[in-house]
Parts: sequence; C-alpha cells; structure tokens
Amino acid sequence: NAGVTQTPKFQVLKTGQSMTLQCAQDMNHNSMYWYRQDPGMGLRLIYYSASEGTTDKGEVPNGYNVSRLNKREFSLRLESAAPSQTSVYFCASISDPGLWTEAFFGQGTRLTVV
Amino acid sequence: GESVGLHLPTLSVQEGDNSIINCAYSNSASDYFIWYKQESGKGPQFIIDIRSNMDKRQGQRVTVLLNKTVKHLSLQIAATQPGDSAVYFCAENNDYKLSFGAGTTVTVRA
Repeated sequence: NAGVTQTPKFQVLKTGQSMTLQCAQDMNHNSMYWYRQDPGMGLRLIYYSASEGTTDKGEVPNGYNVSRLNKREFSLRLESAAPSQTSVYFCASISDPGLWTEAFFGQGTRLTVV
Repeated sequence: GESVGLHLPTLSVQEGDNSIINCAYSNSASDYFIWYKQESGKGPQFIIDIRSNMDKRQGQRVTVLLNKTVKHLSLQIAATQPGDSAVYFCAENNDYKLSFGAGTTVTVRA
C-alpha cells in the first residue's frame, strides 16, 4: 500500500517551460488536493478535487491548471513556469472532505524555476 | 490559520521538558482544527484534532487546547523527545478546505 505517490521528487525548469506534476493514491479516496509550501508560509491550497469529475480553485490558483484524470490521479500543470513558482508541492488525499484526520500527504515535489 | 501575537516561529526545548506551541487562527467560522507534524523532507502527518464544541482534547503525550474567544490554539507535548524535533502546523477546516498556519520549528536539545 503506497498511499500517496508524487512524481517527480525534484525538478528544475527554465522560465517559460511547462511541466506536469503527477499524484496518485491507492486508497480509493474521493478528494484530492494540491498545496505549495514556501519558507515561513505554511502550506497554501492551489486546487482541489472534492470528487472525481470536479475541480475547484484554492487560495493561489493563478499559473496552474489541474486534471482529475480518474479517482486515483490528480495532476497539476504549470503551463509557463515562473521563478515565483519555485516551491515544494504536496498532494494530499482524503476519503471524505470533512475527515482531515485521515488525510494522507505525498512526499512532495521540490521544483526550482530558474 | 495565521501566526499572530503569541506565535513563535522557532522553539528550542530541553529533552524531557514539556513543549507548548501556540497558534492563532483567522476564521471564526472554522469548526475543526488539526495539528500536523512535518519532518524534514516529508509531508505533514496528523497529530491530533479538536472540534469547535470542545476546549481540550488529549492524546498520547499531546494535548490540544482551543480558546474560541481569542481564536487561539495550543499544542502541548509532554516529556519532549528528540523524535519530536520537526515543524508543527496548526490547520483550520472551513468549508472542507484546510488552511495552514506558518508553522513552528521545534528543536529538542539533548
């Protein structure tokens, strides 16, 4: 049982390049979330998917798009990377949006945009 | 959550002492609060939670206190151990979205 798996773990991009961060969970969870973590700022919600087929904006959605490919997978895309998007990105999943005690986080993707 | 007033970004604790980590949350409508622990290079892990109809909850070596009047949370860790060294975040749940505070880095001195 792998839990929440994020790929890649590390990535360096040049300004203007695009890339997709992948997230997959094997716990049959309904809801999935993407956060970014910057020093001294905690985790900020980028986008979330309360259930398969739905996606919604969080606090900081600008510059990102998401796809809930199926129940297992929730990807985050940067169409034109900017240095301000240098951050550590975490994916999380929970069975029920009200049950954050059961939230599982991935190991994170450390992205550097130069 | 946000860090105002009593929040300290870092806390150094002697092994065996008790730790108190404070957090001020921002939304009076939040009804559910959680403390997470994040070790270096890992994602956050659940420690303990509390609902807004409670003011205290205890777990194994941890206690969470909630003061809704001043929108303040605290996490108490008893007999702090080296394995408790980490960043601790408070988080508030509002409308099924979880918002995190800035975090407190706890360092345990041997």
